[in-house]
Amino acid sequence: DAGVTQSPTHLIKTRGQQVTLRCSPISGHKSVSWYQQVLGQGPQFIFQYYEKEERGRGNFPDRFSARQFPNYSSELNVNALLLGDSALYLCASSFPGWANSYEQYFGPGTRLTVT
Amino acid sequence: ILNVEQSPQSLHVQEGDSTNFTCSFPSSNFYALHWYRWETAKSPEALFVMTLNGDEKKKGRISATLNTKEGYSYLYIKGSQPEDSATYLCAFLGMEYGNKLVFGAGTILRVKS
Repeated sequence: DAGVTQSPTHLIKTRGQQVTLRCSPISGHKSVSWYQQVLGQGPQFIFQYYEKEERGRGNFPDRFSARQFPNYSSELNVNALLLGDSALYLCASSFPGWANSYEQYFGPGTRLTVT
Repeated sequence: ILNVEQSPQSLHVQEGDSTNFTCSFPSSNFYALHWYRWETAKSPEALFVMTLNGDEKKKGRISATLNTKEGYSYLYIKGSQPEDSATYLCAFLGMEYGNKLVFGAGTILRVKS
């Protein structure tokens, strides 16, 4: 069975641009969460979606948005990129419910560099 | 501000040594505590999810305990091996914080052969 997949693997953008990151959960998983990880820190929770509804939101500005599609894949959008948005963006899926008390299955991440 | 603290920040041990790390979290409104192992160039991998005070979980040479009343969890590795080298992360889920999983900064373990 395929694990969580993310695309692209790496991305370089310029300040002010917009970016879309994609995530496909493990088959059968309906919950998808997004995390931002910068060097020296643990992953920071951005969003969680379950059955296409937002179920959790971290302390990130409105420039960050996400959505989940009927096939449970998800996109994370970041507008008006800042240098500080440079990070590893991790996607995780979980089963069976919406609560984050279930173990998270992480993808390999997307490394975003903003110049 | 919700703080999840992990100690030590890093640890270097010899092969065969046993070791343990600590995760501290708010003692009120506890819901769940996760432990993950994150090896270099790989994805974080779940070790345990603990929900009950006094819980003890074990996977091979790795075990974890949970004290929700005082707000800490210990992760133990018995007889460390070089393949145990990784960053160990804990993550706290509290009822008053919505569905927001809060990670600590991790403990970096290096095992020398």
